[in-house]
Amino acid sequence: AQTVTQSQPEMSVQEAETVTLSCTYDTSENNYYLFWYKQPPSRQMILVIRQEAYKQQNATENRFSVNFQKAAKSFSLKISDSQLGDTAMYFCAFYNTNAGKSTFGDGTTLTVKP
Amino acid sequence: DAGITQSPRHKVTETGTPVTLRCHQTENHRYMYWYRQDPGHGLRLIHYSYGVKDTDKGEVSDGYSVSRSKTEDFLLTLESATSSQTSVYFCAISETNSGGPTDTQYFGPGTRLTVL
Repeated sequence: AQTVTQSQPEMSVQEAETVTLSCTYDTSENNYYLFWYKQPPSRQMILVIRQEAYKQQNATENRFSVNFQKAAKSFSLKISDSQLGDTAMYFCAFYNTNAGKSTFGDGTTLTVKP
Repeated sequence: DAGITQSPRHKVTETGTPVTLRCHQTENHRYMYWYRQDPGHGLRLIHYSYGVKDTDKGEVSDGYSVSRSKTEDFLLTLESATSSQTSVYFCAISETNSGGPTDTQYFGPGTRLTVL
């Protein structure tokens, strides 16, 4: 079974600054994907970024990028130029390709301060 | 927006009553999932479906049943609701690739269920 750990329950950052959210996972699988989801107060789960485990290159989506360290089983999310609209809970998720199922971390609540 | 709706969006019920939550998709995707989200926790898989009448259990399936009689609808039933089932319930879908689910899931807006 996979486990996903987000060790920072809460974080805050000043508007326009950069913040990094941590995620580690444990698996014996080789074929998997990793995700970061954003959940604003509206509760909607929004896909932020996706990483294929077999790709060494870190995924990037505009102001969002990841640092994927496969050997260390680490998958952190960096948000650059933080905006007030980035305030949300962020979930790290692991997708087991063989099982076709996802495992989620417990989330990190991010507050962007003006 | 992946064309997923959930109904009802909010429900308050009493212990011991049956409750059915509905997930409806307009995308004709084969794979559908039910998760629950509790405070301080991520999403945990209750049940999932890989086609009409094809369902399987997730990690927290006790006390829940599901049915899928049409591709577009996936129903989650609490036969006799308990206070421990107070939660936010999310439905998700994923596309199919080479006969299996793709890795990316798209979520519905959630249903907040309170069991008194």
